[in-house]
Amino acid sequence: DADVTQTPRNRITKTGKRIMLECSQTKGHDRMYWYRQDPGLGLRLIYYSFDVKDINKGEISDGYSVSRQAQAKFSLSLESAIPNQTALYFCATSDSQPRGGAGYTFGSGTRLTVV
Amino acid sequence: QQQVKQSPQSLIVQKGGISIINCAYENTAFDYFPWYQQFPGKGPALLIAIRPDVSEKKEGRFTISFNKSAKQFSLHIMDSQPGDSATYFCADARVRGGKLIFGQGTELSVKP
Repeated sequence: DADVTQTPRNRITKTGKRIMLECSQTKGHDRMYWYRQDPGLGLRLIYYSFDVKDINKGEISDGYSVSRQAQAKFSLSLESAIPNQTALYFCATSDSQPRGGAGYTFGSGTRLTVV
Repeated sequence: QQQVKQSPQSLIVQKGGISIINCAYENTAFDYFPWYQQFPGKGPALLIAIRPDVSEKKEGRFTISFNKSAKQFSLHIMDSQPGDSATYFCADARVRGGKLIFGQGTELSVKP
């Protein structure tokens, strides 16, 4: 099994629908992150959580919300999906001392299309 | 929000050639500068990283060069191979903030 599992892998949804993307990890890491990838824009941080009781906004949090249900689970919600939220979404985890970027593990991504 | 600016957006190199990707960062301290490699359908994975007190780091065919005075760092892929075809991201790894801030990505294609 993958260390960081994202579900679903692909999703097509309609404008205005609520959708949840889920992430679970077996790394035992405290820190979890949600990134969005768009061509030409790289990966941009949406939300991050350093432990179960800690939630922080990233650079593009508008239109998104998150829930850290447990150390191993971090979900991303789009309350009312809009077409410009069509993107590839990645969940990542890290330990508390991710020196050099080596401590980060990414999932395989969820491709979301909003029509 | 401090940024990392990456260029070029896409790069085509012949097999055996040298691939060079550049990144510029803003004035920060105590950061690491990693490079990530991403294949289609996969998440990014760490390729190589450099600390700001080191000017160069080499791992096999991959070398990071760091120019602190110019606030730039670059990835060189020597003897590029078709299997190196992927998207590459530079990043600023905030030791204190604990976040990765990515560049815009470079799509590398190595032609046989």
